[in-house]
Amino acid sequence: SQKIEQNSEALNIQEGKTATLTCNYTNYSPAYLQWYRQDPGRGPVFLLLIRENEKEKRKERLKVTFDTTLKQSLFHITASQPADSATYLCALAESNTGNQFYFGTGTSLTVIP
Amino acid sequence: EAGVAQSPRYKIIEKRQSVAFWCNPISGHATLYWYQQILGQGPKLLIQFQNNGVVDDSQLPKDRFSAERLKGVDSTLKIQPAKLEDSAVYLCASSLTTLNEAFFGQGTRLTVV
Repeated sequence: SQKIEQNSEALNIQEGKTATLTCNYTNYSPAYLQWYRQDPGRGPVFLLLIRENEKEKRKERLKVTFDTTLKQSLFHITASQPADSATYLCALAESNTGNQFYFGTGTSLTVIP
Repeated sequence: EAGVAQSPRYKIIEKRQSVAFWCNPISGHATLYWYQQILGQGPKLLIQFQNNGVVDDSQLPKDRFSAERLKGVDSTLKIQPAKLEDSAVYLCASSLTTLNEAFFGQGTRLTVV
C-alpha cells in the first residue's frame, strides 16, 4: 500500500540548534515534493518545493533534500527559534496522476527557549 | 492579495443531518482542492478541480459527499447525511496550476454529534 510517513513522535529541540524532520514514502514515484507548515487552527502554509531531479533546495534558514533512491526527504531548520514551533507536513505529487499532492501525517516541532 | 476564504468557520450538526461548506479561492487560481483533516493526521485529498472540471475525486465518499465548482470560481462541498466519523476540519486550497504551491484557507471545523 502507499504510505507517506513522517517522524511519528513530536520533536523537541533547544533554541539555536538544527531541527531535522524526515519524510519517507512507500510505493510512490514522486515528481515533486513540498513542505508545509501548519499552526494550530490554521491551514497549512507552503514553505518549499523540490523536484525529483534536484538534490537540495534552500530558502533562508530552511533546507530540503530529496533522495529518490532512499525514498526520503529531509527538512532542516538551522538556528531554530521558538517561533518555528509548529507542525510540518510533507506532500508529494506523482507526475502520472494529475499532480495531486498527497500529504504525510506531519511532525510536531517544539523549539525550547 | 486576498487569501482563500472559507465559511463557516465552525459547524456542529447531529448525525444524519446535512451540511455545506463554501470556498472562494484566490482570484485567477485555476486549481481548487478540498481536503479533510482529522485531528492528528495530515490532510486527505477529497476532490480536485481544474477550472470547473473534476481532476480527481477518487477519495470522495460519493454516497454522501458532493462538490461543485460553478463557473470555475467558488466551490461548495456538501455532506448528506453526516456521520460521526465526518468530524474533521475541511480545508479548501487553490493554486495557479496543479504544480504550483497551494494556498489554504483557515478551514471549517465540523463536529458531528
